[in-house]
Amino acid sequence: QKEVEQDPGPLSVPEGAIVSLNCTYSNSAFQYFMWYRQYSRKGPELLMYTYSSGNKEDGRFTAQVDKSSKYISLFIRDSQPSDSATYLCAMTHTGANSKLTFGKGITLSVRP
Amino acid sequence: DTEVTQTPKHLVMGMTNKKSLKCEQHMGHRAMYWYKQKAKKPPELMFVYSYEKLSINESVPSRFSPECPNSSLLNLHLHALQPEDSALYLCASSQGRDGSQPQHFGDGTRLSIL
Repeated sequence: QKEVEQDPGPLSVPEGAIVSLNCTYSNSAFQYFMWYRQYSRKGPELLMYTYSSGNKEDGRFTAQVDKSSKYISLFIRDSQPSDSATYLCAMTHTGANSKLTFGKGITLSVRP
Repeated sequence: DTEVTQTPKHLVMGMTNKKSLKCEQHMGHRAMYWYKQKAKKPPELMFVYSYEKLSINESVPSRFSPECPNSSLLNLHLHALQPEDSALYLCASSQGRDGSQPQHFGDGTRLSIL
């Protein structure tokens, strides 16, 4: 079992839809959870950063972490064509040798 | 624009060439990273520097040689690369190395080996 599983997609939705992106993980030591957005020919851009369980909202984006189920989600409300990108979940534990563990990424296309 | 700047944006080199990739950040971050990303794959960690000292080398071949001249700069020296080394090379930085601070990425150098 991989440490982080992410539905590979791709995912295509109409403009204005609510998008739900999900990752599951197996390492209970993970405490910090991130979502990165990567446009074509660009580097990953930090979208959301959360610690432990709970919800965090930033504009149209909501990140949700459920440590008991080892499950994280990113919700995008009122999706726009400009949201079309690859979304990577990433997570890490605390400690001197902590490293980011990424999901495989999912490509989202928002149709006008 | 990202706060981590990488140059050049594109690089084409032959297998016998020597070249360097550069990364600069002015956020006061003390940890800097090199990643390699192949198409449709997540980034793979190569090297980590913490307070200008190499702290992680993910068994990267010696044809890749990292250097951290100061807390704002990170270089990756390339020599005798192979065609399979063609990829997007990403630099990232974070305030610390303990995992509690997120990493911020540059836009990468797209490297092609002829």
